Amino acid sequence: DQQVKQNSPSLSVQEGRISILNCDYTNSMFDYFLWYKKYPAEGPTFLISISSIKDKNEDGRFTVFLNKSAKHLSLHIVPSQPGDSAVYFCAASAKGGTSYGKLTFGQGTILTVHP
Amino acid sequence: NAGVTQTPKFRVLKTGQSMTLLCAQDMNHEYMYWYRQDPGMGLRLIHYSVGEGTTAKGEVPDGYNVSRLKKQNFLLGLESAAPSQTSVYFCASSGSTGGWRNSPLHFGNGTRLTVT
Repeated sequence: DQQVKQNSPSLSVQEGRISILNCDYTNSMFDYFLWYKKYPAEGPTFLISISSIKDKNEDGRFTVFLNKSAKHLSLHIVPSQPGDSAVYFCAASAKGGTSYGKLTFGQGTILTVHP
Repeated sequence: NAGVTQTPKFRVLKTGQSMTLLCAQDMNHEYMYWYRQDPGMGLRLIHYSVGEGTTAKGEVPDGYNVSRLKKQNFLLGLESAAPSQTSVYFCASSGSTGGWRNSPLHFGNGTRLTVT
């Protein structure tokens, strides 16, 4: 029972263009969403997050959009750079004080940005 | 500034052998976690701890035990390794001051374990 799904295993884009990574969730108790980036042989690193009280959060070239009614979020990278090539994981956390930072992760999307 | 350090980086075990994976963090974080990453599965939570001396089960706890005797360390044990435990194991920590969302999970670089 995959509560967080990233249905695209991979995405290839040209340098300078927009990269759009998608994520769907099924659990209506999730109220906080995060994106992590992972390079080979390294651990995931936090990229950007969004609370369910917002529909957009922006940080430099990275913007996350949340559509609560569709239970869908997306990460936009503009402009894409070759150094953005990595695996991107979507993650979600449930409401409440007992969430303790426990995250449910999607399967990941491999992004390749070609020079 | 080490952050989260995991040892060892690689290990090969035979079925039935035991081992302990060590995680150490130097950020004074209250919460610590062990995840495993398998192809096509993302990261799945094995066990977690919300403070020194506490542990709790995550999504896939069977076959693993944990201990948090010191705030900075979180140990993951495999008592009798099985091939199904072949995976990459990640430790993470997060702060609780002001809420963990002010300090989202920081991950170590992982331990690649193969059980033959």
